[in-house]
Amino acid sequence: DQQVKQNSPSLSVQEGRISILNCDYTNSMFDYFLWYKKYPAEGPTFLISISSIKDKNEDGRFTVFLNKSAKHLSLHIVPSQPGDSAVYFCAASDTGTASKLTFGTGTRLQVTL
Amino acid sequence: DARVTQTPRHKVTEMGQEVTMRCQPILGHNTVFWYRQTMMQGLELLAYFRNRAPLDDSGMPKDRFSAEMPDATLATLKIQPSEPRDSAVYFCASGPSSLVETQYFGPGTRLLVL
Repeated sequence: DQQVKQNSPSLSVQEGRISILNCDYTNSMFDYFLWYKKYPAEGPTFLISISSIKDKNEDGRFTVFLNKSAKHLSLHIVPSQPGDSAVYFCAASDTGTASKLTFGTGTRLQVTL
Repeated sequence: DARVTQTPRHKVTEMGQEVTMRCQPILGHNTVFWYRQTMMQGLELLAYFRNRAPLDDSGMPKDRFSAEMPDATLATLKIQPSEPRDSAVYFCASGPSSLVETQYFGPGTRLLVL
């Protein structure tokens, strides 16, 4: 049973526009959420995180929103750049830290010129 | 530039053969994770260690997989015997004990079992 779901396998966005990547989870014990970015032939790299005590966290062009009642989080990238083209993984933990993460299946973002 | 290293980067083997994947965590990190990435399941946690002791290996098929940390600079993941369904990319990640922010991933070992 997939506890963290990324229902869109791929997304294409024009350069300069907003990219919105979505993630749903089923385990109400999850209290810490992270987004990772992955380029081909590389390991995932940390992008941004959010604790369940917050509903928004912003870091430059990247903002993560958390809706606990809907068990939904989203990553907004504004403005999107060609270098943002990668696979984005949503991950969740029930330990309040980045240990023992449950990952989604990933969304491939393509930013076009 | 500290990073997690993994060897080999690619491995092609035949069904039934033993496969050993190695990971060198970032110096000073005492928590090490093994993940498997497949198209269907995404990234699955197989096992993790803290201070070289296994904390959780519930994600690992016990009959054929084994994970160890012979010392603080080396983690190994072995598959014996390997099967075609083990074909995947295997990632190692390391982190400090607090793990407040994130784990740091290696580049992965791409395994193909024929």
